This record gives sequence, C-alpha cells and structure tokens, in this order.
Amino acid sequence: SAVISQKPSRDICQRGTSLTIQCQVDSQVTMMFWYRQQPGQSLTLIATANQGSEATYESGFVIDKFPISRPNLTFSTLTVSNMSPEDSSIYLCSVTGGSDTIYFGEGSWLTVV
Amino acid sequence: GQNIDQPTEMTATEGAIVQINCTYQTSGFNGLFWYQQHAGEAPTFLSYNVLDGLEEKGRFSSFLSRSKGYSYLLLKELQMKDSASYLCAVRGKDYKLSFGAGTTVTVRA
Repeated sequence: SAVISQKPSRDICQRGTSLTIQCQVDSQVTMMFWYRQQPGQSLTLIATANQGSEATYESGFVIDKFPISRPNLTFSTLTVSNMSPEDSSIYLCSVTGGSDTIYFGEGSWLTVV
Repeated sequence: GQNIDQPTEMTATEGAIVQINCTYQTSGFNGLFWYQQHAGEAPTFLSYNVLDGLEEKGRFSSFLSRSKGYSYLLLKELQMKDSASYLCAVRGKDYKLSFGAGTTVTVRA
C-alpha cells in the first residue's frame, strides 16, 4: 500500500488568510485526489490533481478558492484561500495504490476562527 | 452520477455480527470500497470489490452484486474497538469516489 503523508495535520487559522496543505506519497502514483469532510458529514471530492496540468474541479469548487499544484507523480498541494469559518473541515489527500485500491492520507484538520 | 444509500446508525453487542448494507445507483461502475473511520481520524481502507461475490479479510467480509447495485460489509466477533463510522464508496469510470453518508456502528458490552 502507498504511504501518504500530509502536512499540517492540524491548524487553527484566522479568517481571511490562506493555508497550503502538502501531500507526499512514497511512490509514484497516477491518480491523486483531494477531498473535504465537513463536521458530521461524509467525504466530498474537491478536485483531481493532474500532473503537469491544471486540476479538474468538481461542481461547487473553483480554482480561485482551492488552487492545486502537482509538480510530479509523488507530491501535490491544496491551498484553501481567503478562509471563512465554513472552511473548517478535514482535508484529505487520496491516491490509487497497488491492487487498484484507494488510500487516504492522515488528513489535515483545519479550524477557521 | 452516483446515489449511495446506507443506514445511519446500527447498534450491536460485543461478540455479535453486524451487517451494513449499501445500495447504489451509478452511471458507471469501477469498484466498491468500504472504509472505517474512527472519530478524529482519517478513513482507513477495509475492502474493495469489483467483481460479484464475497471477499473475506479476517473478521471483515464484503459482498457485491453489481446487477442489484448492492453491497454489504459484515463484521464478525464484534469488539469494542469496532465502534466507528463505516463508509461505502463507489468508484466511477473516471476513477473518482462517491461516498455514502456513512453508518455509525456502536458496540455495547
């Protein structure tokens, strides 16, 4: 299975600021995704991180709010821009690993105050 | 798109068996996943079914019927540590996962 590291694991952020979350995988992976889990909710896909090109966003998510980079096959970043309390969530990086399974990083718990 | 239904809550006694059902309607199917999520933690992978039938992994088993759009996760010999949320997720042809709302399982002594 792929080992996925996310940073930061937790943060408390001021309203109006931006935070960048990093996702590092221990092996090259083709597919990498970013999910959000709001309090008491299930997971929602934000976007697919594409290596060397712009990310593909799901309905309701836009690049200006959630810019994503993926410079290579093992690393991606998600920025949450101009944060508001509604952005308080767990943000999760996900990759497709061996045996076609899908694994998640440990998550980044963000609280916006 | 995907429409995924699973029960909201289930309660069972330590040592018992619990079956969590998941039904789905999908425009394209490329596998069904089950994840366990303890409070304050990220989801952890439990099982993956892409063909019909039963997959067994220790105390956990998962079943899939593609023609019926139906899966279940079976937890045997329940332990207190099995108290968690269990998420059913369907992968489409685009490799994106769509999640059900999750089933909270409470194991009582």
